[in-house]
This record gives sequence, C-alpha cells and structure tokens, in this order.
Amino acid sequence: EIVMTQSPASLSVSPGERATLSCRASQSVTSNLAWYQQKPGQTPRLLIYGASTRATGIPARFSGSGSGTEFTLTISSLQSEDFAVYFCQQYHDWPPYTFGQGTKLEIK
Amino acid sequence: QVTLRESGPALVKPTQTLTLTCTFSGFSLSTDEVCVSWIRQPPGKALEWLALIDWDDDKYYSTSLKTRLTISKDTSKNQVVLTMTNVDPVDTATYYCARGILDGGYLYYFDYWGQGTLVTVSS
Repeated sequence: EIVMTQSPASLSVSPGERATLSCRASQSVTSNLAWYQQKPGQTPRLLIYGASTRATGIPARFSGSGSGTEFTLTISSLQSEDFAVYFCQQYHDWPPYTFGQGTKLEIK
Repeated sequence: QVTLRESGPALVKPTQTLTLTCTFSGFSLSTDEVCVSWIRQPPGKALEWLALIDWDDDKYYSTSLKTRLTISKDTSKNQVVLTMTNVDPVDTATYYCARGILDGGYLYYFDYWGQGTLVTVSS
C-alpha cells in the first residue's frame, strides 16, 4: 500500500499571499495524483488531477506540480474562500486508493 | 449534471450490518467508462477508500475491510449499494460515494462526490 504524507499539518497564511502545500508518496505514483479541497461540513471538491491539471471550474490561482514521489499544490494569492483542508490522493497503484492526512490552511 | 446522494441509517448498533445506498444521476454505470466508489471519513480524520464498482461490474475492496464489505449496483435504478457487516464504533464516520473517471489505462480519480451521510455506531 502506498502511504501519502502531507506537510505541514497546518499552515497559517495571510490573504493575498502564496501558500505551498506538499505531498509525498512512499513510492512512485508517476503523475497519478489528485488534490481535493474540503471546507468544514462540506464534501471534498476535486481541484487537480494528473498532478497538474486543474479540474473544471477551478481558478487559475490553484496549480499543481511534481511527479514520482514529490508533489506540490500552490495557491498563488489566497482568497478568503480558500481556507480549508487540502488532501492529496494517489490513484496509481490500487486497490487501495490512498489519501494523505490533510493540510489545514488557516487565516493568519 | 452529475449528482450523487448517499442514504442510510444514521445510527447502527455494534455487530449489526450497515447498508448504504448511493443514488446518482447524470451518467450511466452500464455504458460510460466510469466507476462509483465509497469513501469514509471519521470525525476530524482523513479520508479512507472502501470499495469500487465499475461499469463492467468489476469490484474492488479495501484490503483491511474486504471481508466485511460488499458493493453492488442496480443500473436500472442508478444506485450503488454498500453493505458492511459486523460494525464497530470505530466505523463511525461520514460515508461518501464518489464518481470515478478514467485518467488513462485503468486509473480513476474522483471528480464528483455526494454530500455524505454520517453513520454513528453505538449501542
């Protein structure tokens, strides 16, 4: 089973600033990596798939990069609606699909 | 428009069997190359993938839970059903169903999720 590790567990950033979230896989997942956003009490929302492709309707300030075992989600200029928990998920080697434990992005 | 909605009991007693239904619209699980998965999230914790059924009726399960899970589909009703036997308080979680879409080969990512249903296991 591939273990996904996200860092940091929480991140405080001011609105308008850039946020960088990391995700590491215990073995290569090539580019088969997705990012999800989850706001309190809401369902996860797909942001990025294929490590770097934005899902339909996702603003350009969200970008994903990386391949193999190291991945990054960057939010270029944080808006108030971006403060949430972000999960990465690998879909390269399944079953099982595996998720990271999440990074909570908080307002500074 | 793709939608998914989970339904099932809010409270289940330990050792009982939990049955959850995912009712979907906007796609076909018999003709489209998609799948439906169940994923759960204990309160305040990370997401855990449980099971998947695809358009070809292939079924896959979490390694740690496979002896307790059964997934099935009723294409005429646009529903996917998950049963979990012998539930325990640690199974308390919000249970989501999600549509999986192919990203080359046989690799799915989840593009639409239901709102989730909270299931509490308690006597």
